[in-house]
Amino acid sequence: ELKVEQNPLFLSMQEGKNYTIYCNYSTTSDRLYWYRQDPGKSLESLFVLLSNGAVKQEGRLMASLDTKARLSTLHITAAVHDLSATYFCAVEDEYEKLTFGTGTRLTIIP
Amino acid sequence: EPEVTQTPSHQVTQMGQEVILRCVPISNHLYFYWYRQILGQKVEFLVSFYNNEISEKSEIFDDQFSVERPDGSNFTLKIRSTKLEDSAMYFCASDRGYEQYFGPGTRLTVT
Repeated sequence: ELKVEQNPLFLSMQEGKNYTIYCNYSTTSDRLYWYRQDPGKSLESLFVLLSNGAVKQEGRLMASLDTKARLSTLHITAAVHDLSATYFCAVEDEYEKLTFGTGTRLTIIP
Repeated sequence: EPEVTQTPSHQVTQMGQEVILRCVPISNHLYFYWYRQILGQKVEFLVSFYNNEISEKSEIFDDQFSVERPDGSNFTLKIRSTKLEDSAMYFCASDRGYEQYFGPGTRLTVT
């Protein structure tokens, strides 16, 4: 059974600082997603990572994937208040279903 | 840009009642999914559907749950006899083989 662990669960950051969220998974996968969720809202797709060494960047967010280590990271650069949300990683198995991590609730403090 | 839509946005029902949650996937997508998220928790897979049949289901998806694609556009999730613990946000997703796109969700409250 595929297990996905995400840490930290809660992250409180000051504006302007950098931080990284980690996502570890237990079995081989071809595809890893990062989603953002605002309270009471749906899942907004941020990144889809398809291959080892993949790196994608959008604004202050950068995601990377190391399939050998079964690790993905979401790096936040110079955080701003608008980035406050819950971030989920999700790993796709061979049946194309997603197993989600527990989520990281990010709060950016002025 | 095409998107997945879901109705209703919020449904309140009494325990033991049947509910049907509706989804309209993106039109050229072939794979369809239901997930749920209990308040404050992670998103959990329920079922996947391809070529008019269930391709995989989780332990949560017991005999009380069923899915259907009745008319080639809608994709429905039925819960036959709701329980209090079915209260959650239910998300539909669709995929054409590259990326799953999620709908806005239906908040189901069972009282």
